[in-house]
Amino acid sequence: DTAVSQTPKYLVTQMGNDKSIKCEQNLGHDTMYWYKQDSKKFLKIMFSYNNKELIINETVPNRFSPKSPDKAHLNLHINSLELGDSAVYFCASSQGSHQPQHFGDGTRLSIL
Amino acid sequence: KNQVEQSPQSLIILEGKNCTLQCNYTVSPFSNLRWYKQDTGRGPVSLTIMTFSENTKSNGRYTATLDADTKQSSLHITASQLSDSASYICVVRGSGGYNKLIFGAGTRLAVHP
Repeated sequence: DTAVSQTPKYLVTQMGNDKSIKCEQNLGHDTMYWYKQDSKKFLKIMFSYNNKELIINETVPNRFSPKSPDKAHLNLHINSLELGDSAVYFCASSQGSHQPQHFGDGTRLSIL
Repeated sequence: KNQVEQSPQSLIILEGKNCTLQCNYTVSPFSNLRWYKQDTGRGPVSLTIMTFSENTKSNGRYTATLDADTKQSSLHITASQLSDSASYICVVRGSGGYNKLIFGAGTRLAVHP
């Protein structure tokens, strides 16, 4: 019954690898987001999609590529992982951009 | 620069006591202000969302206030419980050409028995 679900919950991998994180929401929302939360707990938006269209693309290295196959899914692929990519990545969704966002429980990415 | 600053950075209170968390922002133009609660190891959960015209909004024991003139908001927690231990994050959405969310660093609240 989880509204916004992310997989995997934990991801430990080596520098230079390519990895993907998946996100699905069953709330019928039309807008989905990816956030990065660093060690200081600051949440920073990375991407936002509305009806599968990219509407926000913050200053994120192009090693990060979001993909939205449909309104209910927003996946994040990361190429050539670097040590600085270690963080917790949160997926969220909302109905429009002015309504509260519902967050997943995060994917804890650790780069060795 | 559009910013959201929260105080205190951390707070310890005894169970049953009240507390107030502060949020000051410089985001302009302003659309709405949100308070989220983030438990350890979980994603943030929305507590309240207030627009320019709203001064106060309650959600159970949580009451948020907003003064759009001074660009200040507070979150008051009444009769705290151990389960209130979490980070509380203030988020401001701009409007017009600055239609994005700016997150504060959060206040870490610990409620002790």
